[in-house]
Amino acid sequence: NFMLTQPHSVSESPGKTVTISCTRSSGSIAGNYVQWYQQRPGSSPTTVIYEDNQRPSGVPDRFSGSIDGSSNSASLTISGLKTEDEADYYCQSYDSSSLWVFGGGTKLTVL
Amino acid sequence: EVQLVETGGGLVQPGGSLRLSCAASGFTFSVNEMNWVRQAPGKGLEWVSSISSSGTTIYYADSVKGRFTISRDNAKNSLYLQMNSLRAEDTAVYYCARAPSPWYFDLWGRGTLITVSS
Repeated sequence: NFMLTQPHSVSESPGKTVTISCTRSSGSIAGNYVQWYQQRPGSSPTTVIYEDNQRPSGVPDRFSGSIDGSSNSASLTISGLKTEDEADYYCQSYDSSSLWVFGGGTKLTVL
Repeated sequence: EVQLVETGGGLVQPGGSLRLSCAASGFTFSVNEMNWVRQAPGKGLEWVSSISSSGTTIYYADSVKGRFTISRDNAKNSLYLQMNSLRAEDTAVYYCARAPSPWYFDLWGRGTLITVSS
């Protein structure tokens, strides 16, 4: 079984760019797709990135996803930060042994 | 409108049972794999269970295996979670989630809160 590790929190100013990492403990990060979910306070999660780097319709192109085999990690990058981006962000991946695995979540503060 | 609406939450004593329902609308429920995902108060997301579109393939997280049963009724566009032998650590908001592909969720309900306490 594998785990996904995220930083507990990150903060950045409006208009800046922030990157949230998600490191896979075992197995290749490239072996299974990584997704990212946004959860604003008091709301249910929504998908902002799926299949490593795909954006659902309606998600602005300020959100982008990538994977890095050398660090065995995935990243969510948000550019042109807005106060509305303040939320918890969760990475998620899947394999046939562990099934659906979520990272612990990262609290993004836009200040 | 495309949506998932969970019902059935509430307060239950340890060892008790509860049945959650999730009503789907605005999309073809019968072709989608469906899941339950939970979130303990102040904690992260935890996948609970999955059921294939036909209901023939089912998976459970180790934390609920043997106690929870997932099912669906495609004629009623509904997903269910029967929860038995409930424990304090099952206290959480339970979300119904659609999986358009086996590896991710693209639609979530608003969730229903289960509190297990005496």
